Amino acid sequence: KNQVEQSPQSLIILEGKNCTLQCNYTVSPFSNLRWYKQDTGRGPVSLTIMTFSENTKSNGRYTATLDADTKQSSLHITASQLSDSASYICVVSPGGSSYKLIFGSGTRLLVRP
Amino acid sequence: DGGITQSPKYLFRKEGQNVTLSCEQNLNHDAMYWYRQDPGQGLRLIYYSQIVNDFQKGDIAEGYSVSREKKESFPLTVTSAQKNPTAFYLCASSIGAGLRETQYFGPGTRLLVL
Repeated sequence: KNQVEQSPQSLIILEGKNCTLQCNYTVSPFSNLRWYKQDTGRGPVSLTIMTFSENTKSNGRYTATLDADTKQSSLHITASQLSDSASYICVVSPGGSSYKLIFGSGTRLLVRP
Repeated sequence: DGGITQSPKYLFRKEGQNVTLSCEQNLNHDAMYWYRQDPGQGLRLIYYSQIVNDFQKGDIAEGYSVSREKKESFPLTVTSAQKNPTAFYLCASSIGAGLRETQYFGPGTRLLVL
């Protein structure tokens, strides 16, 4: 069964600290993996997208890594800010051109001053 | 100002009532989607449309209906057959479903049952 599992479910860190969020998937065949940021009560916004041949992608203070062999991805946030408080969702596209994405349940991050 | 708009932001449904959620995009995207988001769960696909006048069921289409008469519009009707409609509904669009294409999301509509 195609699944995307994220950990931890929630995380609290102090402003200025770094953190890493994890994503494991069992989707096969695999096309690409995306990380989205979702503020409370808002729609998700894309942060990064990586195909099977890419193993790292950065977007400002956000760096995503992908290991297609172990089917794992991580999102590293550097020097966290209060505005980073949000849910971070890992999304996998199963093979070729697919309109049907597989969504993780997200990691809820709270950055405290 | 380009993007996806959803209305209303909050919607209240009475027992046995059908309600329609609006989704409009001016990104000139061919594909549009409807998702449902429940607390602690990943987004689940209700319906999607690859092109005007065509749409397909997603994973949880029962109790919902859609139409795609115009490229920019993809309204979702929550029918009385949907017994547990309370959720956050998200509309999205994309150019297509290519290898590097991204789905862009609207701000969402929260549906509550009275």
